[in-house]
Amino acid sequence: DTAVSQTPKYLVTQMGNDKSIKCEQNLGHDTMYWYKQDSKKFLKIMFSYNNKELIINETVPNRFSPKSPDKAHLNLHINSLELGDSAVYFCASSHGEEVNSPLHFGNGTRLTVT
Amino acid sequence: GENVEQHPSTLSVQEGDSAVIKCTYSDSASNYFPWYKQELGKRPQLIIDIRSNVGEKKDQRIAVTLNKTAKHFSLHITETQPEDSAVYFCAAGSSNTGKLIFGQGTTLQVKP
Repeated sequence: DTAVSQTPKYLVTQMGNDKSIKCEQNLGHDTMYWYKQDSKKFLKIMFSYNNKELIINETVPNRFSPKSPDKAHLNLHINSLELGDSAVYFCASSHGEEVNSPLHFGNGTRLTVT
Repeated sequence: GENVEQHPSTLSVQEGDSAVIKCTYSDSASNYFPWYKQELGKRPQLIIDIRSNVGEKKDQRIAVTLNKTAKHFSLHITETQPEDSAVYFCAAGSSNTGKLIFGQGTTLQVKP
């Protein structure tokens, strides 16, 4: 009964390819996020959406395009993948838009670009 | 820009000992300070949080203290157990910026 589910769990692809990661939450939360965790374990926010509207875009390259068809889904499409995109990508959700709403993370997608 | 410094980066303790992880933040408007635990290969999970109107909060073996004047907060784990072994992240959230900034993480190893 996963609250925040993301697919795929693993993604191995070559440089230059385009790939997508999907995320869905069944918690009824209004806000969803994408975080990137690099090889040093550092967690950095990429995007946040509140009720399908973009709230935060943290100077992420244009190759990354989030899409939120409804407030329960936030997908991430990546064009022209580069070696430096290799990381674990976590989707998360929170009840409100306020920064003091606890985050519920998905299980992560490990992206490896070769 | 906003920054959260976390120390130490690694911490090894004997089972039953206490562990303390410290964080400092730069944005004086920060008012929310959660701690997340990430076990190997798993997702980060909230273990405790504190808001700026409170100086200390405790939940069983875990406690968090906040010093707003000095802009630092700490996680205390007492009577550590091997299952406490994980990476711990502090974070500071500011209502001004709407952002939650994470520290660099502390890898805690509890030796049986």
